[in-house]
Amino acid sequence: GAVVSQHPSWVICKSGTSVKIECRSLDFQATTMFWYRQFPKQSLMLMATSNEGSKATYEQGVEKDKFLINHASLTLSTLTVTSAHPEDSSFYICSARDDEQYFGPGTRLTVT
Amino acid sequence: RKEVEQDPGPFNVPEGATVAFNCTYSNSASQSFFWYRQDCRKEPKLLMSVYSSGNEDGRFTAQLNRASQYISLLIRDSKLSDSATYLCVVNVRGAQKLVFGQGTRLTINP
Repeated sequence: GAVVSQHPSWVICKSGTSVKIECRSLDFQATTMFWYRQFPKQSLMLMATSNEGSKATYEQGVEKDKFLINHASLTLSTLTVTSAHPEDSSFYICSARDDEQYFGPGTRLTVT
Repeated sequence: RKEVEQDPGPFNVPEGATVAFNCTYSNSASQSFFWYRQDCRKEPKLLMSVYSSGNEDGRFTAQLNRASQYISLLIRDSKLSDSATYLCVVNVRGAQKLVFGQGTRLTINP
């Protein structure tokens, strides 16, 4: 099946810094990718829909100036967590749709 | 009210047992339904789609009741490798995004 990769798989950063997470569709093109966040023992919550060549669509309650999304090509979307705080520590997962929706392996972010 | 609700469990059952999970959804415009499996610290993976007529894949049977907005998953002859969190997932008509339930945690004991 199709493969979606994420990089990095885990990252630890200091409070106030920014972190960029990459999501790539490896063997298919994706005009739309999705970014989810999952806190411990909770479900995946959609943060935003990333659209190639246009602005991302953010879910209610997600700050677009804090979570910057760039979808510059048909195989790459990036999520930048700006001015990270400890409460941003979470598991960030991207997905892209081919014949079905495929998920990346996730990025575990810890903000100290 | 959550869009997709599941009993979070945990369910602890012996190997070989039959276990059933339930899920309800609130949006009547929901048109596609899935069960995903998520292992600890991993991404979710599609287990099976759910169709109105009910569908079976080996030891797994999924059912959908649109009138009651209710979805179920039955696992027969459970294996140790079935231990995971099972996520009920819904897609609303006209939208590409998936809405996830909280997940039901299952542990199969030897």
